[in-house]
Amino acid sequence: KQEVTQIPAALSVPEGENLVLNCSFTDSAIYNLQWFRQDPGKGLTSLLLIQSSQREQTSGRLNASLDKSSGRSTLYIAASQPGDSATYLCAVRLGGYQKVTFGTGTKLQVIP
Amino acid sequence: EAQVTQNPRYLITVTGKKLTVTCSQNMNHEYMSWYRQDPGLGLRQIYYSMNVEVTDKGDVPEGYKVSRKEKRNFPLILESPSPNQTSLYFCASKSAQEGVSNYGYTFGSGTRLTVV
Repeated sequence: KQEVTQIPAALSVPEGENLVLNCSFTDSAIYNLQWFRQDPGKGLTSLLLIQSSQREQTSGRLNASLDKSSGRSTLYIAASQPGDSATYLCAVRLGGYQKVTFGTGTKLQVIP
Repeated sequence: EAQVTQNPRYLITVTGKKLTVTCSQNMNHEYMSWYRQDPGLGLRQIYYSMNVEVTDKGDVPEGYKVSRKEKRNFPLILESPSPNQTSLYFCASKSAQEGVSNYGYTFGSGTRLTVV
């Protein structure tokens, strides 16, 4: 059974800092990995999707990397802003399945 | 605009009173799924559907029913709600087409259900 862990559970940084969020998974036979953002009481917004054949994906100030052999993905946020404050979730999809397994998220607070 | 629409956004009901949460997507996606989100437990899959008339249980299906009579709609039915079904519910959809054009999951805005 795939287990997905996100550490830390919460993170508080001053505005302007570069930061890294971590996602670890136990089964390396993944098909893809997707990073989401969730604002309080809201739905999930897709940020980046990395296929198993890719090492990283970039969108604006966000960069996600994938290392299947070590079972890790990182989400790098450059020059953080208060508007980046949210909970960040990673979701891992195993090969041969449509279902994804979610981590429990990292709650990020960017302090002005 | 491509989206997944859930209704209602908020619902308070009493134990045992049947309810339905609707989910509709306009992206012609084959795959649809329901999740519940609880503090400390993350998102857990309730039911999913690979296509019309094809549904299957997720990790926590007890107390829930679904149907997929049309491709765009995937309602979640609680026949006899109980307080332990108080949660935040999300519907999601995804294309079954694989490859670089697969953008992964699109989620609805959520339904906050309280059962008293």
